Amino acid sequence: DAGITQSPRHKVTETGTPVTLRCHQTENHRYMYWYRQDPGHGLRLIHYSYGVKDTDKGEVSDGYSVSRSKTEDFLLTLESATSSQTSVYFCAISESPGKDTEAFFGQGTRLTVV
Amino acid sequence: GENVEQHPSTLSVQEGDSAVIKCTYSDSASNYFPWYKQELGKGPQLIIDIRSNVGEKKDQRIAVTLNKTAKHFSLHITETQPEDSAVYFCAALKSANAGKSTFGDGTTLTVKP
Repeated sequence: DAGITQSPRHKVTETGTPVTLRCHQTENHRYMYWYRQDPGHGLRLIHYSYGVKDTDKGEVSDGYSVSRSKTEDFLLTLESATSSQTSVYFCAISESPGKDTEAFFGQGTRLTVV
Repeated sequence: GENVEQHPSTLSVQEGDSAVIKCTYSDSASNYFPWYKQELGKGPQLIIDIRSNVGEKKDQRIAVTLNKTAKHFSLHITETQPEDSAVYFCAALKSANAGKSTFGDGTTLTVKP
């Protein structure tokens, strides 16, 4: 299994509170991604990073921010959590596209906003 | 942007039978098509992939076919086993596009013993 660790694995938080999810990799892959998974919607890209301090938005980025200060860590922050952000969040990593585009996924973080 | 449709959403087969899952994509520039298997409580895991310069690829009981003209690709699982029961996702992406994948909505496959 690729060395990807997501933390926490489960979290319950209240509406309006800030939440940060962490993805840590030991593979030294350049690209990192945050997806959310909801019933009937498959996986949808929130944000991604193509290098340290280089990030960009995905298709469902509203209400989320990210940071990548080190190659191995990619943080996803919900500034003010809402019930619509209750979901399972997956981090993924990938080598440089064009050479090896396989994505490896973490185990997921189940976030519940009450 | 890319749009991927996946059918069926649920599929139930008898052990030993074949299973076929189909996906269509909209962006003709997409050139890489992976299939992922997700078991309960785990992240998706790549099981097979195909690039746009290939029409078919096989790995033991699993095969993928690609029709670029029609913009659809399919996953074929033969001699299904109970351990094949999982959710399967197709995806499409342009390898030069930072590896951003667009996923289908998933197919829940149940293999009955």
